Amino acid sequence: AQSVTQPDIHITVSEGASLELRCNYSYGATPYLFWYVQSPGQGLQLLLKYFSGDTLVQGIKGFEAEFKRSQSSFNLRKPSVHWSDAAEYFCAVGARTNAGKSTFGDGTTLTVKP
Amino acid sequence: DVKVTQSSRYLVKRTGEKVFLECVQDMDHENMFWYRQDPGLGLRLIYFSYDVKMKEKGDIPEGYSVSREKKERFSLILESASTNQTSMYLCASSFIPGAGSYEQYFGPGTRLTVT
Repeated sequence: AQSVTQPDIHITVSEGASLELRCNYSYGATPYLFWYVQSPGQGLQLLLKYFSGDTLVQGIKGFEAEFKRSQSSFNLRKPSVHWSDAAEYFCAVGARTNAGKSTFGDGTTLTVKP
Repeated sequence: DVKVTQSSRYLVKRTGEKVFLECVQDMDHENMFWYRQDPGLGLRLIYFSYDVKMKEKGDIPEGYSVSREKKERFSLILESASTNQTSMYLCASSFIPGAGSYEQYFGPGTRLTVT
């Protein structure tokens, strides 16, 4: 069975500082990997995805993530955080044999200090 | 842009009522999903559907049923609402065969309160 762990429940960073959100997954083969963002009271929006190829993927809003097979990780990064990035972030893993069905982590809440 | 709409943003129902939550997507996606989201518990899959009239149970199907009579519409039904079903409900859709597209597109959510 696939699973996702986001070790950090809550992270606080200062505006302009760099950000890294951690994600570890468990899956028997190469998975599909996603990061989503959820603003308060809203649905989730896709930030970026990894299916194959280059292990460093670029997403919207200046985010990027790196797939590291040896560490079973897919950490999300941003070099300079903006106040509008304050939100909840979810990592998800999808099975290649069951297209479209994903397992989500419990989420990391990001607070941005002025 | 993909659009997933949900029939209500906020809903208040009484214990024992039958509740219908509707979800519509406009991108011809094969798969549709219903999740509930509770603080500290992340997103939990209730049911999903991979084709018209086809459905599978997710992780927490008890107390819920679903209906998918048309490809674009997926309904979640609470047969007899209970207070422990107070939650945020999120609908999502995904997957176009041959397009290599597996990410999910979410609706804005329905915050259901059962009193």
